[in-house]
Amino acid sequence: EPEVTQTPSHQVTQMGQEVILRCVPISNHLYFYWYRQILGQKVEFLVSFYNNEISEKSEIFDDQFSVERPDGSNFTLKIRSTKLEDSAMYFCASKKRDPPLSGNTIYFGEGSWLTVV
Amino acid sequence: RKEVEQDPGPFNVPEGATVAFNCTYSNSASQSFFWYRQDCRKEPKLLMSVYSSGNEDGRFTAQLNRASQYISLLIRDSKLSDSATYLCVVRNTDKLIFGTGTRLQVFP
Repeated sequence: EPEVTQTPSHQVTQMGQEVILRCVPISNHLYFYWYRQILGQKVEFLVSFYNNEISEKSEIFDDQFSVERPDGSNFTLKIRSTKLEDSAMYFCASKKRDPPLSGNTIYFGEGSWLTVV
Repeated sequence: RKEVEQDPGPFNVPEGATVAFNCTYSNSASQSFFWYRQDCRKEPKLLMSVYSSGNEDGRFTAQLNRASQYISLLIRDSKLSDSATYLCVVRNTDKLIFGTGTRLQVFP
């Protein structure tokens, strides 16, 4: 079964450093997402990306965050200057189509665990 | 009011038991509804979509009541492997809104 892959699986970084989390969505998918989950809390939406631009973002996704699809396969999340409260599991996700068309299931990657110290 | 509200549990049940989880959501314009399963420190995995007519997948039955903004999940004949956190999820525009999850522990 095709899957969303993420790297790194775990990263420790110092406060103030830049971090790039990488994702390879499923190959024929067109919609891409980042979610995060702080330990012990719920999964939260960060941003959605379609047709090479951000389609929606949450209040969490401030100027410190950016996303990019630098080539045909990768989808990255950059945090410019990390804070302690950015420590979380970051999930990349993708889907093929919008409802009501079939193929609109969102598939999640295994996550990148970011620890800011 | 939280967008998606669930009882955090934990629900501790013996193998073979039937267990039910409930969830309420606040946005009446929510478009789609799901139950996801999440194992410890893993990604959420889609368990099933939820429809107004109710739907069943093996031992799992989901119901949606749009008027009450209420979603349920029933698990029959619980297995040890059902132990996980069950996430109630709604879709608004193009984003998924997650509940905090209900923890299920099935014991022998």
